Amino acid sequence: AQSVTQPDIHITVSEGASLELRCNYSYGATPYLFWYVQSPGQGLQLLLKYFSGDTLVQGIKGFEAEFKRSQSSFNLRKPSVHWSDAAEYFCAVGALSGGGADGLTFGKGTHLIIQP
Amino acid sequence: DADVTQTPRNRITKTGKRIMLECSQTKGHDRMYWYRQDPGLGLRLIYYSFDVKDINKGEISDGYSVSRQAQAKFSLSLESAIPNQTALYFCATSDLGDSRAGELFFGEGSRLTVL
Repeated sequence: AQSVTQPDIHITVSEGASLELRCNYSYGATPYLFWYVQSPGQGLQLLLKYFSGDTLVQGIKGFEAEFKRSQSSFNLRKPSVHWSDAAEYFCAVGALSGGGADGLTFGKGTHLIIQP
Repeated sequence: DADVTQTPRNRITKTGKRIMLECSQTKGHDRMYWYRQDPGLGLRLIYYSFDVKDINKGEISDGYSVSRQAQAKFSLSLESAIPNQTALYFCATSDLGDSRAGELFFGEGSRLTVL
């Protein structure tokens, strides 16, 4: 069974500083990998996804993530955060076989706080 | 209008009551899912469905049941609600197409409180 670990429950970053959110996954075959963001009181919005090909993927709102198979990681990065980036961030993994039909397995989330 | 609509958005009920959460979608997707979100636990899969004749249990299906009334409608029921089912519930859909395979599209959530 697949699993996702987000080691950081909370992260505080100053506005304008760079950001990296960590994600490690466990899955025996090639996974689909996703990052979702949840703003307070909202549903989840897809930031970016990795299926295959280039291991550095670009997403919305200036985010990017890098797939590193050797480290089973899919860390999310942003060069300069804005106050509006304060939210809960979820990493998720799905099974490539079957087209991800069985749903995604989510990490427990990282709560991002932006300091002025 | 939202592509994935959940009703009710908020519900407070008492222990032992039957509750139904409804989800409808206009995305034309075949696959629909119910997830539960608890603080510090992330999202966990309750049930999922590929079509009206295909229902599958997820990680935490005990105490829940579902019905896929049509391609566009997928409801979640709590036959006898208990306090530890207090949570935020999300409905999601996904597409079969290769370019978007696995990507989930979420509703805005239904917050359920069981007293």
